[in-house]
Amino acid sequence: QVQLVESGGGVVQPGRSLRLSCAASGFTLSSYAMHWARQAPGKGLEWVAVISYDGGAKFYADSVKGRFTISRDNSKNTLYLQMNSLRAEDTAMYYCATDPPGGGWYCDYWGQGTLVTVSS
Amino acid sequence: QSALTQPASVSGSPGQSITISCTGTSSDVGGYNYVSWYQQYPGKAPKLMISDVSNRPSGVSNRFSGSKSGNTASLTISGLQAEDEADYYCSSHTSSFTLVFGTGTEVTVL
Repeated sequence: QVQLVESGGGVVQPGRSLRLSCAASGFTLSSYAMHWARQAPGKGLEWVAVISYDGGAKFYADSVKGRFTISRDNSKNTLYLQMNSLRAEDTAMYYCATDPPGGGWYCDYWGQGTLVTVSS
Repeated sequence: QSALTQPASVSGSPGQSITISCTGTSSDVGGYNYVSWYQQYPGKAPKLMISDVSNRPSGVSNRFSGSKSGNTASLTISGLQAEDEADYYCSSHTSSFTLVFGTGTEVTVL
């Protein structure tokens, strides 16, 4: 069955960097576009970024553009989110999610999330 | 990239039907049939309930249905049950090739 496991979260100081990973199993990652979304404590969902199935296209939310980079290694069945110049407002649970083949622009499977806390 | 507008809370008695609205613009909800809905329990990951405005994934109860008119999409839950008490979010593709979520709606079963 489809399984997504995020890792790499933790406590980091403002201005520092962190890289999140999302390990995929139970399906062929190379067939799926992938999203990152986040949810600040007690707040709603916020979309972060998407990457096409082959990594050729990437799009970002304005709030992270220029600071975050989404990437993938299909040979390792892994999605990444490189987060630089972190701010307090980046504190959130970060989820990876699949977007099914055919470009549906929705998230059909989600991981359980990894928590990022930006604090001095 | 402003969030889509949803009511903060909706409530209903068991067996009743409720509808959650999701209002955007012609650059997102009104411009594409790429509206989806998610259910989220506290401390859990979201779960897809509706895709492409009105498609229900396998395993999702047929008590959940979606529709759209102009810039507003709607999720209807019929035959409300205690297990439906959760937060619900809409999302839409946008003209900027991004995704935008709604503000979220807390559903309470009275």
